[in-house]
Amino acid sequence: EADIYQTPRYLVIGTGKKITLECSQTMGHDKMYWYQQDPGMELHLIHYSYGVNSTEKGDLSSESTVSRIRTEHFPLTLESARPSHTSQYLCASIGLAGYNEQFFGPGTRLTVL
Amino acid sequence: QKEVEQDPGPLSVPEGAIVSLNCTYSNSAFQYFMWYRQYSRKGPELLMYTYSSGNKEDGRFTAQVDKSSKYISLFIRDSQPSDSATYLCASRRGSNYQLIWGAGTKLIIKP
Repeated sequence: EADIYQTPRYLVIGTGKKITLECSQTMGHDKMYWYQQDPGMELHLIHYSYGVNSTEKGDLSSESTVSRIRTEHFPLTLESARPSHTSQYLCASIGLAGYNEQFFGPGTRLTVL
Repeated sequence: QKEVEQDPGPLSVPEGAIVSLNCTYSNSAFQYFMWYRQYSRKGPELLMYTYSSGNKEDGRFTAQVDKSSKYISLFIRDSQPSDSATYLCASRRGSNYQLIWGAGTKLIIKP
């Protein structure tokens, strides 16, 4: 079973707060991804990383930032949360064994009031 | 136009029925086609993938790709209530690690 963890699972915060969503994996995977998922909509890629000190923005414009200082850790930060950031955030990783299988964490459901 | 289109459903069928889930795609460069299953409050998990056209079978599940019509299908035989979930199709080009996702179809299997 894949080991990829996300915390917190649920977060309700007020507008303007700075938040960090945590994502960790114990599989030693180089490639990691952050997706945004809204009900009835496709997963939108917001950030990805192909290794330590390598980060790129995805197709969906996002006001968030990410860092990759360690292979196992890929946190996402919102400097000033807004109601439009309310969504489900999913973290995923893939290993060398197969680029078609992304392992997902359970997600963080964020609500900004 | 979205690169991968999928009817969001919900699709409700009785237990034991054969289920057919479908996607269409527009990018001829796509070579790999995946089906993921997502239970409520969980992340998606890979069910199976196919390369180019053809069929692939895994137990009660069969994935089918027709590149001539740009059509992706997943068939579930002898459907069970535990199959109730959202099924997402995804595609990618051979040289690219990024997946392009459909919106997912919510499937409900009624006991």
